[in-house]
Amino acid sequence: GAGVSQSPSNKVTEKGKDVELRCDPISGHTALYWYRQSLGQGLEFLIYFQGNSAPDKSGLPSDRFSAERTGGSVSTLTIQRTQQEDSAVYLCASSLRSYEQYFGPGTRLTVT
Amino acid sequence: TQLLEQSPQFLSIQEGENLTVYCNSSSVFSSLQWYRQEPGEGPVLLVTVVTGGEVKKLKRLTFQFGDARKDSSLHITAAQPGDTGLYLCAGVDNYGQNFVFGPGTRLSVLP
Repeated sequence: GAGVSQSPSNKVTEKGKDVELRCDPISGHTALYWYRQSLGQGLEFLIYFQGNSAPDKSGLPSDRFSAERTGGSVSTLTIQRTQQEDSAVYLCASSLRSYEQYFGPGTRLTVT
Repeated sequence: TQLLEQSPQFLSIQEGENLTVYCNSSSVFSSLQWYRQEPGEGPVLLVTVVTGGEVKKLKRLTFQFGDARKDSSLHITAAQPGDTGLYLCAGVDNYGQNFVFGPGTRLSVLP
């Protein structure tokens, strides 16, 4: 079956602009996660959705970052007023059980 | 807050060598996962271990969960260039409520 997909694969934006990153999880997966990965670094947790529960937003670095998950499926991560330090690869993952996560290929965001 | 440490941070070896990387914590986990991330791709789940002392094998990779469920190791036999990547461990707490990723071990296998 289809895996996790993310779009766009690459995004270049100017400092101060807003960007939206999209994640399509595996069908039927109840949990969805967003991470940020800077060059050569590990994963930085951003936000976690589980079913209809309130999302765990504890990893969002500032109020410029927000995420939604509509209908328990597709998720959008929005970054407002982008800064150069927001440049990174943004990874989305979904899971059905036990936090076993299936990752998408990521969106590479470059803020100029 | 549960933390996972991984060692070594970096490892560069020649093709054919054996290696072991470690994932350690002072906390007990109900399960622990290992992922491999190749350059330009998302991490891929390799294995989940759930029982203290458990050993799982995946071809040339051997995973072990510590008896106390606080640590894990990954041993690779006869490493190949295709094993190059970032190896991440991730743990789920004893209540199944929270999870955490380690910082990763970056492995480079030279031909």
